[in-house]
Amino acid sequence: EPEVTQTPSHQVTQMGQEVILRCVPISNHLYFYWYRQILGQKVEFLVSFYNNEISEKSEIFDDQFSVERPDGSNFTLKIRSTKLEDSAMYFCASRRDSLRQPQHFGDGTRLSIL
Amino acid sequence: GQQLNQSPQSMFIQEGEDVSMNCTSSSIFNTWLWYKQDPGEGPVLLIALYKAGELTSNGRLTAQFGITRKDSFLNISASIPSDVGIYFCAGQLTGNQFYFGTGTSLTVIP
Repeated sequence: EPEVTQTPSHQVTQMGQEVILRCVPISNHLYFYWYRQILGQKVEFLVSFYNNEISEKSEIFDDQFSVERPDGSNFTLKIRSTKLEDSAMYFCASRRDSLRQPQHFGDGTRLSIL
Repeated sequence: GQQLNQSPQSMFIQEGEDVSMNCTSSSIFNTWLWYKQDPGEGPVLLIALYKAGELTSNGRLTAQFGITRKDSFLNISASIPSDVGIYFCAGQLTGNQFYFGTGTSLTVIP
């Protein structure tokens, strides 16, 4: 069964550095998402992406965050200048279309900011 | 953001017992999803619900979309040790944003 893949599985970065998290959504999916989960807490929506543009974003997704689909297969999340509180699991998800289709999640990238 | 409250927060049950958990909100949702998350992994979809009153089963799991569209429940029958994990509900309003519940942690004692 096709799945969402995320790389790397664990990223350790110094505070203030830029980090790029990568995702390969399921190939025929059209909607893409990034979520964050701080250790022991619930999954929080960051951003949704459709037709090469952001369709919705949460208040967490400030100017330090950006998303891109550079080549038609990868979907990336960039954090420009990381802060300690950015440490979390970051999950990518994709969905086939808007008609009664659920999201499928990757296994996440654990981001640790030192 | 929207608040989805799950209860109970945690459950400790004997193997073979049935489990019931629910998710409530003050908002009306168009879609309810139930996910299971194992440690260090992403959420895995269990059941998707798209219509008020809909009752859907997936093996030993049954979930219902509440008539008011503000709640949903998930039942697990005859629990087994591999049911251990955190169960999240997720709801979609209009648009392309999904909101997750606070999670129910399930421990099954053999």
